[in-house]
Amino acid sequence: QQQVKQSPQSLIVQKGGISIINCAYENTAFDYFPWYQQFPGKGPALLIAIRPDVSEKKEGRFTISFNKSAKQFSLHIMDSQPGDSATYFCAAGRETSGSRLTFGEGTQLTVNP
Amino acid sequence: ETGVTQTPRHLVMGMTNKKSLKCEQHLGHNAMYWYKQSAKKPLELMFVYSLEERVENNSVPSRFSPECPNSSHLFLHLHTLQPEDSALYLCASSRDINSPLHFGNGTRLTVT
Repeated sequence: QQQVKQSPQSLIVQKGGISIINCAYENTAFDYFPWYQQFPGKGPALLIAIRPDVSEKKEGRFTISFNKSAKQFSLHIMDSQPGDSATYFCAAGRETSGSRLTFGEGTQLTVNP
Repeated sequence: ETGVTQTPRHLVMGMTNKKSLKCEQHLGHNAMYWYKQSAKKPLELMFVYSLEERVENNSVPSRFSPECPNSSHLFLHLHTLQPEDSALYLCASSRDINSPLHFGNGTRLTVT
């Protein structure tokens, strides 16, 4: 009930390509879906978040797509750059409990020049 | 640079040692957290402190002992650890327990 499933585990994309990472959740009470970005040697940092009242949120090259009926959400990175190479974690929780998150297992993204 | 500072960055300890991890936040937040990050596994929430009171303890073995002397500092005291405790230990803080998390850069712990 509390799991968040993330795929793929690793992803290699060419510079300029689109990176897509998918997550699925089980708990229908979840209403807050953030993505975290983690560079080697650093802690995770909040990248972008979405609430289920919208189906898409875009910030620069990063877009979250949300499908409430399927209980799935995904991160799209447009025009991927080598500097985007990092581990990406999706998470889910209640907006009123923004710190109480269930995290996915992470996706290691490599963007080749 | 992160507003959450963790020391040391790396720690190697034997199974009979006693050591402590330190976390300090400079963000004026009221909640602090310890997470364990192991390879290819989701982040595991270990402890939550709000206004220096422990509000959550997620079935963590007693060989891990947290301490929060004030809202800016958090410690994780370690004793008689096992090799499977080797991981990256992340500290985080938030304005309150309902607000988004700000992570430190972690302490890479190796238990030999």
